[in-house]
Amino acid sequence: QKEVEQNSGPLSVPEGAIASLNCTYSDRVSQSFFWYRQYSGKSPELIMSIYSNGDKEDGRFTAQLNKASQYVSLLIRDSQPSDSATYLCAVIAGGTSYGKLTFGQGTILTVHP
Amino acid sequence: DTGVSQDPRHKITKRGQNVTFRCDPISEHNRLYWYRQTLGQGPEFLTYFQNEAQLEKSRLLSDRFSAERPKGSFSTLEIQRTEQGDSAMYLCASMPTRTSRETQYFGPGTRLLVL
Repeated sequence: QKEVEQNSGPLSVPEGAIASLNCTYSDRVSQSFFWYRQYSGKSPELIMSIYSNGDKEDGRFTAQLNKASQYVSLLIRDSQPSDSATYLCAVIAGGTSYGKLTFGQGTILTVHP
Repeated sequence: DTGVSQDPRHKITKRGQNVTFRCDPISEHNRLYWYRQTLGQGPEFLTYFQNEAQLEKSRLLSDRFSAERPKGSFSTLEIQRTEQGDSAMYLCASMPTRTSRETQYFGPGTRLLVL
């Protein structure tokens, strides 16, 4: 079992729709959770971080965390073609992990006009 | 530009050659990470420095790989006797030590192609 798993997609949504991206993780003591966006050929860019159960909203983005289910998700409202990218879920484990990120394989999102 | 910088941005080499990449973290960021990303995969952790001390290395970092961070500033990642399987994007990230939120800032990456 991979430490962090995402649906690889691709996920295709029409412009203006809600895109829902999901991620599960295996380490129960994980404390910090992140969503990165990566455009083709570019480096990852942090869009959301979440540390406690519940929802966190930032503009059109909402991150949801459920530690009991070991599940974290990202909702993108009013999706735009510019949101088309690979979305990476990343986790920092608890304990002495020195803050290293463990990434999922990424979900490719395409927003079509 | 006060972000993380990496050099070179692209490198093409022949199998068996040695290559060295450089990362300049954000000023005063004590923590520095190297990751490797292959096509269609998420980045994978390679190694971590706190100041000049290399505190963790992944099993992915074979004997052909070595990383340094002299004086706790910039870092270098060297690959000796490159193999075609080393072709990947090599990413560097930095983070301040004293932070309640562990946000890593990534550089633009070095894309390596081994022929």
